[in-house]
Parts: sequence; structure tokens; C-alpha cells
Amino acid sequence: EAEVAQSPRYKITEKSQAVAFWCDPISGHATLYWYRQILGQGPELLVQFQDESVVDDSQLPKDRFSAERLKGVDSTLKIQPAELGDSAMYLCASSLEGQLQETQYFGPGTRLLVL
Amino acid sequence: AQKITQTQPGMFVQEKEAVTLDCTYDTSDPSYGLFWYKQPSSGEMIFLIYQGSYDQQNATEGRYSLNFQKARKSANLVISASQLGDSAMYFCAMRDSGGYQKVTFGTGTKLQVIP
Repeated sequence: EAEVAQSPRYKITEKSQAVAFWCDPISGHATLYWYRQILGQGPELLVQFQDESVVDDSQLPKDRFSAERLKGVDSTLKIQPAELGDSAMYLCASSLEGQLQETQYFGPGTRLLVL
Repeated sequence: AQKITQTQPGMFVQEKEAVTLDCTYDTSDPSYGLFWYKQPSSGEMIFLIYQGSYDQQNATEGRYSLNFQKARKSANLVISASQLGDSAMYFCAMRDSGGYQKVTFGTGTKLQVIP
């Protein structure tokens, strides 16, 4: 069964350092999402791609976060510099076309701890 | 703006009993989809069930059913014959047809199944 891949699974970094997360969606899925999930809360959308284009990054802290999906396949989310408040689970998800009834398939997530 | 409310931070249920997890939503869009996800302690989000706003019948998937009351804007998840493996966080989510069909999640309910 096809799955969304993410790496690393865990990341510990010091504040002010740079950190990057990688996501490989299910093959053929045009829509890719990055979510941040703070402990005890629901996922919050950071950025949504349709193919290689960003279609929603309204909640992305653009002074320190960046995301790219250069060839419309895999994607990288970067934080520079990391802050203590960035400690969270970062989830990547994909869906076929991002249509109303489509299910989002999630990867295992990356747990980030900023010290 | 769309909003999802889950008012039960935590629930307990006896093994083999049924349990209902509450979800209310708010949207001005007549076309929307409602989703329930399960998140075990390992972190991955697992899709459970989907209900479209124009669906005439309540959705069912195995032991999961969705009690959809459109006029009350509620979409409660019913789990029948609870199993120990059902212990997890449960998230209600909504996608409406506006923009690029962003998905909004509730804050979740932690379900614990007691032997």
C-alpha cells in the first residue's frame, strides 16, 4: 500500500539552528500539505501545494519558515532559525487533487524538539 | 471562516461498549466535507470516515458510523464494540469548497478504552 514518507522521524536541535524536514507524497498525488501540531492540539495547516505551486501559506511564519516542492513531487520544509516555540510534530499529507471529498493521507510525522 | 469544535477533551469507555465523540462545525458554505481521523500515540493520522454535506445517509465504515445532523451542524463519531486498540486521540475535520479547500481540524478528544 502506498504511503507518505517523512524524514527524519525525530529531530533535536538548539535554538537559532537551522532544521529541515523532507516529505515524499503518494505517487500521483498533486496536493501536498504541511501541518504543525503542538502537543494537545489539532494539526494546523502551514502550507499547501498544488503541484509545484504554493496555494495557501497564510499561516506560515515566513520570517523563519520556508517550503518548496520544486518538481511537484517531494517537498522540504525549513526552519531558520529555530525557536523554542517551534517544538511540535510536523505532519505531511497528500491527496490526489485536493478536491472536497478526497481523503488526506498522512505520513508518520517528524517530532521536533528545540532546546 | 470555518470552525470545528470538539468539547470533550477526554472520554473513557468500557471495552465492547459503544461510545460517541462529539463534533460541531461552523461554515457558511453549503458544500463541505467532514472527516474523522484517529491518532495513536505513535503520531500518524489515520483516516476513519467521511461525510459529505449533500449525502442523504449517514456514513458507516465497519465499527465507525457518523451521526450527521446538518441542521444542528453536528457530526458525531460513533464507535461500536470498543476495543483496547481504539485508545487514541480522535480529530474531527472539515473541508469546504472555498479557495483551495483547506482542511480545518478540531482540538481532538482523547479516548481511553478500559478492559
